[in-house]
Amino acid sequence: DGGITQSPKYLFRKEGQNVTLSCEQNLNHDAMYWYRQDPGQGLRLIYYSQIVNDFQKGDIAEGYSVSREKKESFPLTVTSAQKNPTAFYLCASSSDGTNEKLFFGSGTQLSVL
Amino acid sequence: AQTVTQSQPEMSVQEAETVTLSCTYDTSESDYYLFWYKQPPSRQMILVIRQEAYKQQNATENRFSVNFQKAAKSFSLKISDSQLGDAAMYFCAYKGYVAKIIFGKGTRLHILP
Repeated sequence: DGGITQSPKYLFRKEGQNVTLSCEQNLNHDAMYWYRQDPGQGLRLIYYSQIVNDFQKGDIAEGYSVSREKKESFPLTVTSAQKNPTAFYLCASSSDGTNEKLFFGSGTQLSVL
Repeated sequence: AQTVTQSQPEMSVQEAETVTLSCTYDTSESDYYLFWYKQPPSRQMILVIRQEAYKQQNATENRFSVNFQKAAKSFSLKISDSQLGDAAMYFCAYKGYVAKIIFGKGTRLHILP
């Protein structure tokens, strides 16, 4: 079945540690996105990518980094510079990056130890 | 920059009744897409309905319909015959010329039996 897979479902980060959240899609979608959701809050855009080897900062990119080396994959690294990383992270994709709906993964809950 | 505003953090409706969730947005673009997404307690994001700005006819999907007022930059969601399974967070979202998709802060909908 086609879809978006995020892993792990739960992740714990120690102080000063970088962690990477995985996002893989087999929908052949061009555009991929990372959103952060805090309790009771909406989704805030971290990074998005319209094509391979290209990505753009969203509204809250500081403390995060991404790569898009393959069409199927868009991993997000939460660096030690992100001082408040505890949140629910959602990955999404869309077919042509202009007018199609988003398909979402099931999310990763990141917590700080 | 585009913004999306949902002014009702929480709403309640009696089962089988009708409820309307509000969304306003700000943009200088003429062509864009608007969406309503539902997030149940599982936190999986589900597309409820989508509207293209160039279409004057309001979108409908079974019990869900929108009231799209382009001049007023308003995009409300009406849920008819509310069911217990409709209880969720509802997010309004905007997508313009570029791939960037932005979300409102959401409205938590409670269904009263």
